[in-house]
Amino acid sequence: DTAVSQTPKYLVTQMGNDKSIKCEQNLGHDTMYWYKQDSKKFLKIMFSYNNKELIINETVPNRFSPKSPDKAHLNLHINSLELGDSAVYFCASSTPGSAGRAQYFGPGTRLTVL
Amino acid sequence: TQLLEQSPQFLSIQEGENLTVYCNSSSVFSSLQWYRQEPGEGPVLLVTVVTGGEVKKLKRLTFQFGDARKDSSLHITAAQPGDTGLYLCAGIRGANNLFFGTGTRLTVIP
Repeated sequence: DTAVSQTPKYLVTQMGNDKSIKCEQNLGHDTMYWYKQDSKKFLKIMFSYNNKELIINETVPNRFSPKSPDKAHLNLHINSLELGDSAVYFCASSTPGSAGRAQYFGPGTRLTVL
Repeated sequence: TQLLEQSPQFLSIQEGENLTVYCNSSSVFSSLQWYRQEPGEGPVLLVTVVTGGEVKKLKRLTFQFGDARKDSSLHITAAQPGDTGLYLCAGIRGANNLFFGTGTRLTVIP
């Protein structure tokens, strides 16, 4: 059984388009995240959601909007895609508790903007 | 400037050799994690260290958290080709602030 799943695995699109990436976790975790990994493999947190509330929002353009229909899903919608948005996007979820939360990552979505 | 700097950035060694990867910061973290990421997959948690000076062992991997909780190291004994991957440290501050390091790409040559 897949713990954290993302769709699609690959996404190729033109500049200016709007796209969404879906994420689902079946671990019963209370917090979900979106990360961006650039070409140098640096992983940076974009958003996290806890009980449908956004609790972290790093310096991410407002073209990016997370949407959580329920505790098991956190989708990422991107408007007006730009070349610099090309990257691998990872969804993750974490266990309850404060220090030392273990994060479980999905397989990633490779976004290519042409 | 990245919050957590890892060194070396790239490491290529022969099977059977030992190696150490370092994760350094000027900031204090409540805990620190190490992940390994293989091509086409997401990072997978290896260990969490919480107490300053803590040492944890996972088979041939030894993880240490610095006394001041600002740095950490990962030592691999007798490396095997299956150890090949991208190793990421991640510092935790507060309830949900997770900061990843710059990464170390390890290649173990048979």
